[in-house]
Amino acid sequence: AQSVAQPEDQVNVAEGNPLTVKCTYSVSGNPYLFWYVQYPNRGLQFLLKYITGDNLVKGSYGFEAEFNKSQTSFHLKKPSALVSDSALYFCAVRDEPNSGNTPLVFGKGTRLSVIA
Amino acid sequence: GAGVSQSPSNKVTEKGKDVELRCDPISGHTALYWYRQSLGQGLEFLIYFQGNSAPDKSGLPSDRFSAERTGGSVSTLTIQRTQQEDSAVYLCASSPGLAGMRETQYFGPGTRLLVL
Repeated sequence: AQSVAQPEDQVNVAEGNPLTVKCTYSVSGNPYLFWYVQYPNRGLQFLLKYITGDNLVKGSYGFEAEFNKSQTSFHLKKPSALVSDSALYFCAVRDEPNSGNTPLVFGKGTRLSVIA
Repeated sequence: GAGVSQSPSNKVTEKGKDVELRCDPISGHTALYWYRQSLGQGLEFLIYFQGNSAPDKSGLPSDRFSAERTGGSVSTLTIQRTQQEDSAVYLCASSPGLAGMRETQYFGPGTRLLVL
């Protein structure tokens, strides 16, 4: 069965500095990987996904993520953090061998706090 | 266009009462998912509908939980004889249902359920 780990419950970064939110995964086949962001009292908003092709994926709000097959990682990055990026970030995975349109398996989330 | 909508946004109930939560997916989306977000637990898959196929109920935590999807659109999640451990945010998501594993799921704002 597939699984996702987000090793950090909380990440603090100063405004203007680069940020990284870590995600590692475990699947039996080829992974489909997703990042979502959740602002207070809101649902999840899609940021980006890796399906195939270039390992560096660019998404919304200046975020990007790098798929690293050898390290089974899909870390979320942004070159310059904004205070408005403060939110809860979720990494999610699907495992290709499974048939049909299966649900996502989510990590427990990482709370990002950007300090002015 | 309109996103996924859920109602009510908040629900407070007494232990032992039944509750119904509603989800309106994005128009034309044939795939619909329910997830539960509990404090410190991340997102937990509950149930998945795809078109007219039998739903995937593998994530439902007990037989007190059930869901219907009428006419392939609106879905209702019912929790019977609510318990305090049912307190959580219940999130609904939908996707087009055409691209299988590659699809992005779009989430509603959630229903925050509190069982007293």
